[in-house]
This record gives sequence, C-alpha cells and structure tokens, in this order.
Amino acid sequence: QQQVKQSPQSLIVQKGGISIINCAYENTAFDYFPWYQQFPGKGPALLIAIRPDVSEKKEGRFTISFNKSAKQFSLHIMDSQPGDSATYFCAASPSYSGAGSYQLTFGKGTKLSVIP
Amino acid sequence: GAVVSQHPSWVICKSGTSVKIECRSLDFQATTMFWYRQFPKQSLMLMATSNEGSKATYEQGVEKDKFLINHASLTLSTLTVTSAHPEDSSFYICSARSFLSTYEQYFGPGTRLTVT
Repeated sequence: QQQVKQSPQSLIVQKGGISIINCAYENTAFDYFPWYQQFPGKGPALLIAIRPDVSEKKEGRFTISFNKSAKQFSLHIMDSQPGDSATYFCAASPSYSGAGSYQLTFGKGTKLSVIP
Repeated sequence: GAVVSQHPSWVICKSGTSVKIECRSLDFQATTMFWYRQFPKQSLMLMATSNEGSKATYEQGVEKDKFLINHASLTLSTLTVTSAHPEDSSFYICSARSFLSTYEQYFGPGTRLTVT
C-alpha cells in the first residue's frame, strides 16, 4: 500500500483553540480523503471527507483543506473542545475497480488532547 | 444510518482454540467488507477485503488459513481466528462499504481479542 504521512504524532491545544493536523500522500490514484476520529477502545468514526474536485470542505467546526498539486490535505478543528480529545486518522483511497479498489490507506494517527 | 455492529465486543480465549467475530451492517447492504487489526497506539492495518459471495483477498503477510473470512450475505461477514496464539491478541475492527456508496466506509466498534 502507498503511504500516507500524517503529522504531528501528538497535539495539545487549549480549549477554544484551533487544532491542525496534516497529511501528505504520494499515490496520484488516490481520490477520496476521509478523516476518522477514534476514541480509546472504539472503532473509528467517519468525521469528514473530501474529493479532489474541491479545495475545501467544512462541516460544523471541522474543515478539510486540500492541495492537489502539493498532494497534501489537512484537518482543522475550530473552537476545539475537551470532548474532541481523541486520535485522528487521515486516510486515502483510490476509486478504480479491481484489486485494491476503495481500500483505505491510513496515516499513523494524531493524538489530540484539548486542555481546559 | 450506516451502522455497523460487531460481536463480541471482547473475547478471551485459550491458546490453540478458535474464535469467531461477526460483523454486521445493520441498516444497509454491504458490497464490500474490510477487516483491520490495530495494536495499541498504532494505526489500522488492513488484513483482508471481502466481497459478498466471493473469496476474501488477503493483504501480504496475513495468513489466510489462520484468519478465515466468510462474507455469506450482504449484511454479514465473519472473521475466524483459528488456533489462536497470544500474539494474535489485538483489536479487530471491520468496516463496510455500501453498494449505494462509492467511497464511504463505516466502521464497527471493534472486538478486543485476548489469547491466554
């Protein structure tokens, strides 16, 4: 699987601040980029996702920024809250049919801690 | 909508025994189901991809005779860990992709397997 590089590994943000997590990819066949939120002992939950035909997508306090030429995308969490403390994974998937289709390649994850 | 369940949520078994984990899509039909393994503080590692009615495709390094996957219907996939050993202890997570959706994968809550 092609790698998706995620940074930082951990992030501490004060309540009300902006949390920013970055990911970079190499495989130009990727054309679906989701972010997942995972709490300890739970499965990942789809947070927000973007396709390359748009440069930004916003859902509530969560925004994905996408830079196709740089092959980078990022998650911004506005007005971060203690309840946002979790591990966040970026991922990428190609859309071609056949072997490997729709398989997600995950970043290594970012542990976010929002302190009051 | 898009709820995926797993059963059991946790299981303890003795070395040498087999254990079956069920993954169900509760409110949609899943064309494809994926099985992942996650070690503590690590990312998700894809083990195999299964399509309803056909044999699963295993990732390199995953023993297909040890991790038996059956995708018997559009709402049920099972993972059987045969002759389990302590090194098989891990968090196993399934995800499902709806035939109505091109990209979105919805994850189950995970199953914690401990082999003693």
